Amino acid sequence: DTGVSQDPRHKITKRGQNVTFRCDPISEHNRLYWYRQTLGQGPEFLTYFQNEAQLEKSRLLSDRFSAERPKGSFSTLEIQRTEQGDSAMYLCASSLQGSGGYTFGSGTRLTVV
Amino acid sequence: QQQVKQSPQSLIVQKGGISIINCAYENTAFDYFPWYQQFPGKGPALLIAIRPDVSEKKEGRFTISFNKSAKQFSLHIMDSQPGDSATYFCAASMDDYKLSFGAGTTVTVRA
Repeated sequence: DTGVSQDPRHKITKRGQNVTFRCDPISEHNRLYWYRQTLGQGPEFLTYFQNEAQLEKSRLLSDRFSAERPKGSFSTLEIQRTEQGDSAMYLCASSLQGSGGYTFGSGTRLTVV
Repeated sequence: QQQVKQSPQSLIVQKGGISIINCAYENTAFDYFPWYQQFPGKGPALLIAIRPDVSEKKEGRFTISFNKSAKQFSLHIMDSQPGDSATYFCAASMDDYKLSFGAGTTVTVRA
């Protein structure tokens, strides 16, 4: 297992377009998280899945954001009608319940122009 | 509202010196306190973590000191090396899931 994979690594999109990011967690991890990190800041929690169930969403996650984790494996994060303020690094992480530590992917850097 | 406050924002240390980063939290329900290291263009990587039932944990050159009564914890990097130059984040969580991160400390180790 090579860790948490995220695709694409970089995405440049025009304002108003929709974008979708993919995360493949470590296979035996049942928890999956999405975070957003802007320049010079720590990651901010967006949402969390345990298996296929989305158990918590941050109020940072507006109606334009949606995340899925079908069958409890990979996850997608979609942003509709992107805005310049959505420009950030989107990080995915996974963990095994009770283990404490996360493993983060390398992130998807989104630039909205 | 930032639940974990981290200082300093940046520090410069000579090779072989000690780097010290401090964090403070308010939520007494937090029960897991990890430190992450992040290099440019990469995701954060777990460095070391502590739970509130111990006051200190050491792994190699990295030590966490934890003061439950003061609601503070710190990371000490001993014998700092140029390869330690990175951004370090403290974090805290309860029930082992959602992490609240500090704003980060950029450490530069001068050779």
